[in-house]
Amino acid sequence: AQTVTQSQPEMSVQEAETVTLSCTYDTSESNYYLFWYKQPPSRQMILVIRQEAYKQQNATENRFSVNFQKAAKSFSLKISDSQLGDTAMYFCAFMKQDGNKLVFGAGTILRVKS
Amino acid sequence: NAGVTQTPKFQVLKTGQSMTLQCAQDMNHEYMSWYRQDPGMGLRLIHYSVGAGITDQGEVPNGYNVSRSTTEDFPLRLLSAAPSQTSVYFCASSYSRWLAGYEQYFGPGTRLTVT
Repeated sequence: AQTVTQSQPEMSVQEAETVTLSCTYDTSESNYYLFWYKQPPSRQMILVIRQEAYKQQNATENRFSVNFQKAAKSFSLKISDSQLGDTAMYFCAFMKQDGNKLVFGAGTILRVKS
Repeated sequence: NAGVTQTPKFQVLKTGQSMTLQCAQDMNHEYMSWYRQDPGMGLRLIHYSVGAGITDQGEVPNGYNVSRSTTEDFPLRLLSAAPSQTSVYFCASSYSRWLAGYEQYFGPGTRLTVT
């Protein structure tokens, strides 16, 4: 079975600075997908970024980028120029190639301070 | 296009009561699923469906039933509520049962408290 570990329960960052959230996972699959979801205080789950394991290039979406290290089974999220609206719980999630089931980590609470 | 809708948003039950959490999507998605979110545990899959008439168990199915009679609706039934089922419940849908890796769209969640 796949497992996802987020070792940082809480983090804080000053507005406009850069922060990196960590995620490691365990799987015997060679092809899969990885995701970061954001959950603001509204509780809505919002997809931040998606990475396909067969792609070596790291995914980027505006101020959000990932550092995907397949051999190390690591998938960290970097948020540049942090904004107050980035304050949220962030979940790392894994999906096998042949299914739609998501396996989530426990989440990291990120607080952006002004 | 309303996306994924869930009702109710909040619910309080007494131990032993039953209820149904409603979930509907208007995107013609084949895949639908239910997750529960508990502090320190992330979201865990309860049940899922790859199309009308087809359902299967996820990681934590005990105490819950589902059915999928239409593409649009995927209700979750609590048969006899227990305090351990106090949680936030999310319904999600995705485009295709055959094409993995697509974004899953989540509903706004239902906060359930069992006393």
